Amino acid sequence: AQSVTQLDSHVSVSEGTPVLLRCNYSSSYSPSLFWYVQHPNKGLQLLLKYTSAATLVKGINGFEAEFKKSETSFHLTKPSAHMSDAAEYFCVVSDRNNDMRFGAGTRLTVKP
Amino acid sequence: DTEVTQTPKHLVMGMTNKKSLKCEQHMGHRAMYWYKQKAKKPPELMFVYSYEKLSINESVPSRFSPECPNSSLLNLHLHALQPEDSALYLCASSQGANSPLHFGNGTRLTVT
Repeated sequence: AQSVTQLDSHVSVSEGTPVLLRCNYSSSYSPSLFWYVQHPNKGLQLLLKYTSAATLVKGINGFEAEFKKSETSFHLTKPSAHMSDAAEYFCVVSDRNNDMRFGAGTRLTVKP
Repeated sequence: DTEVTQTPKHLVMGMTNKKSLKCEQHMGHRAMYWYKQKAKKPPELMFVYSYEKLSINESVPSRFSPECPNSSLLNLHLHALQPEDSALYLCASSQGANSPLHFGNGTRLTVT
């Protein structure tokens, strides 16, 4: 079965500085990978997805992620953090059987 | 606005009650999901329906009973729940394997 590991439970950055949220995956097949964001007391919103096309994926709100098969990684980045980016971020892996598994989550704090 | 509608938004029930959570989508998606999310934790997969057939059951206790009456509707029947079942229950749908999930806003369940 596939799984994801989010390497940091909490990341804190200053506004205007880069963001890096790390995700490693394990899958027996070529996986599909996603990043979702959840703001406090809100639903889950898709940031971006990788489904075996381009390895560098651009998403909403300036986020992007790079799929690296050799490192089994799918890290999420943003060049410049904004206060509104403070939220919980989940990396998700999917196999070919509609089985979608969430990582433990990374809480992003943005300091003024 | 979410394209996946969940009702009710909030539910308080006693341990002897029977209640149902409802989920509806009209995007033509053929896969529908139930997730359970406890506070400060990631969503945990409970059930997956694919083409109206139960394809994944994550060893969920029988006090939770899913039902998919048609391709647009998904229910979760609750009976004899325990206080530890209190959580946010999220419904999601997708076009199928390797497609992103579209989430509803969830039902916040409290078992007293």
